[in-house]
Amino acid sequence: SQTIHQWPATLVQPVGSPLSLECTVEGTSNPNLYWYRQAAGRGLQLLFYSIGIGQISSEVPQNLSASRPQDRQFILSSKKLLLSDSGFYLCASGQGLGGTQYFGPGTRLLVL
Amino acid sequence: RKEVEQDPGPFNVPEGATVAFNCTYSNSASQSFFWYRQDCRKEPKLLMSVYSSGNEDGRFTAQLNRASQYISLLIRDSKLSDSATYLCVAYNYGQNFVFGPGTRLSVLP
Repeated sequence: SQTIHQWPATLVQPVGSPLSLECTVEGTSNPNLYWYRQAAGRGLQLLFYSIGIGQISSEVPQNLSASRPQDRQFILSSKKLLLSDSGFYLCASGQGLGGTQYFGPGTRLLVL
Repeated sequence: RKEVEQDPGPFNVPEGATVAFNCTYSNSASQSFFWYRQDCRKEPKLLMSVYSSGNEDGRFTAQLNRASQYISLLIRDSKLSDSATYLCVAYNYGQNFVFGPGTRLSVLP
């Protein structure tokens, strides 16, 4: 079974600072990878997904970006954080189109 | 109109009760469906994939009604540990995975 690692677990950043969140996956090859954000008391919003190295699809226009430098590594970045970027960031992994997704433990980001 | 809708609850039920959640989806092209549970401040964890014929896993039963575009989750003999938020998910090729806002369940002693 696959294991998804995310770090850091929590992060407090000032407005305007950069961001880098990392997700790595073990126990699977060539997964589809996803970044979601969950605002407090809200549902999950798909931000980015990737079906392979270097391939990124963006679901929502914003000041965030994603990269996939290796098969099982997915990075979420920002050059300048906004207050509205606060939330719970979840990385997910799945196989094939529409296959079951498994989630990492998440990173809780607070932008002040 | 939201893509995937759920009654946010909370549903407060006594231990041992049977509780059912419904979830409706708007995109008739949705191909696969899932139920996840999410504990407070934790990641969602897969509860069940939902198949067209319906499927059962212990105390949990999920059913899909494509004609009416809804998915249901039935929990029998509720346990205190079932308290969580239950997320309904629909997948279609164009929109990818669409999550509902979740239904909160509290099982009371």
